[in-house]
This record gives sequence, structure tokens and C-alpha cells, in this order.
Amino acid sequence: GNSVTQMEGPVTLSEEAFLTINCTYTATGYPSLFWYVQYPGEGLQLLLKATKADDKGSNKGFEATYRKETTSFHLEKGSVQVSDSAVYFCALSDRSTDKLIFGTGTRLQVFP
Amino acid sequence: GAGVSQSPSNKVTEKGKDVELRCDPISGHTALYWYRQSLGQGLEFLIYFQGNSAPDKSGLPSDRFSAERTGGSVSTLTIQRTQQEDSAVYLCASSENRGAPETQYFGPGTRLLVL
Repeated sequence: GNSVTQMEGPVTLSEEAFLTINCTYTATGYPSLFWYVQYPGEGLQLLLKATKADDKGSNKGFEATYRKETTSFHLEKGSVQVSDSAVYFCALSDRSTDKLIFGTGTRLQVFP
Repeated sequence: GAGVSQSPSNKVTEKGKDVELRCDPISGHTALYWYRQSLGQGLEFLIYFQGNSAPDKSGLPSDRFSAERTGGSVSTLTIQRTQQEDSAVYLCASSENRGAPETQYFGPGTRLLVL
């Protein structure tokens, strides 16, 4: 079945460091891929998405490229801020039902 | 309302009791989803509603779990004879229509603790 695997956290970085959070997926067909973010005390929010191979999703300085050949959708940011501290979830959508299948989440902690 | 709301925000119950969790979706949203966020399990899909019908219940973990939706709006997730492993954050999401998963708006969740 469809599944998402992402790196375990926590990821601890200093402000302005480069961020990579790895995500790989297993799916039949061609799912859409997403990154969601959950800030402390808040609900889950869509961060970015990509709907087909080689698409790059971007938002708030974060980027992720849909790589079909490596079944990956790694999240990157060139310079993190303290305000980026949150839990990040990689997800794919099942095209037949639209339900989202999530990874286990990666906690990012950024220190000044 | 402006967003998806859920109640209660926190619920503590004793093992064996029944609980009801409520979700108020964004007005006009026809699709509604329930997910569960457990320690070590990540976010799991539970059930999906289109209008008042549930075409996908594949994620419900046991027959102790049920959900209904009335009037194409409010949904209630019921857990009977709660067990400690039911402790989790239960998230609800709604979207305007099926076919656009990226437009699922999530509520703040109900944190359930079964003692």
C-alpha cells in the first residue's frame, strides 16, 4: 500500500543554518505530495505541494522537488529562523479517495 | 465560523467509558476527514465523509470506533469502551469538494487521554 517515510527528529539547528528533512514514499500510480507544518499550539497547515514529477513546491523559503526516480520529496530551506521551529509532516494523497497518508513527523528546533 | 472547530479540546476519560468527539467543518465544505495523531504512529487516516455518507471507513481501527455526519455539516466520532491505546490527538479536516486534498483545512484537534 501507499506509505511515507521521513527522517526521525528532533532536528536541532542554529539560526541561519541549512535545513534538509528527508522524505521518501511508496505509492501506486502518481500521487500528489505535500509538506504540512504544525507550529506549537496550532493546527496542521499546508506548507507546500507538488502534483507531478519534477514539480517544485515552495513557500516561506522552503522548497521540495517531486523526484519520481528516487521516490523522494525532501524539504529544504537555505537559512532557518527560530520561528521555523515546528513539526513537519510529509504526506501523499491517494488519488482515488483524496485521503492524506502522512509520515510520522519531524520536529525541528532552531536556536538563536 | 472562520475555520474548522473541534470540541472538546481536551478529554480525559477512564478505560471502558464511551467518548464523543465533535467536529464543526467550515461552512459549505462537503468533504470531511478524521485523522488520529498518536505518539510513534504519526498521523493516520480514520474516515472520510462526502456529504452525510462515508465512502471510505478503511482507517477505523476497530468496531469500537464509529462516526456520523448530519445535515452535511457537524460530524461526531464516537469511541466505545475506550482503551489506553486510544489516547491520541484526533484531528478533523474539511474541504470544499473532493478532488483537492491540498485544500483540506485542519481543526486544532481533540486531545484524548484514556486512564
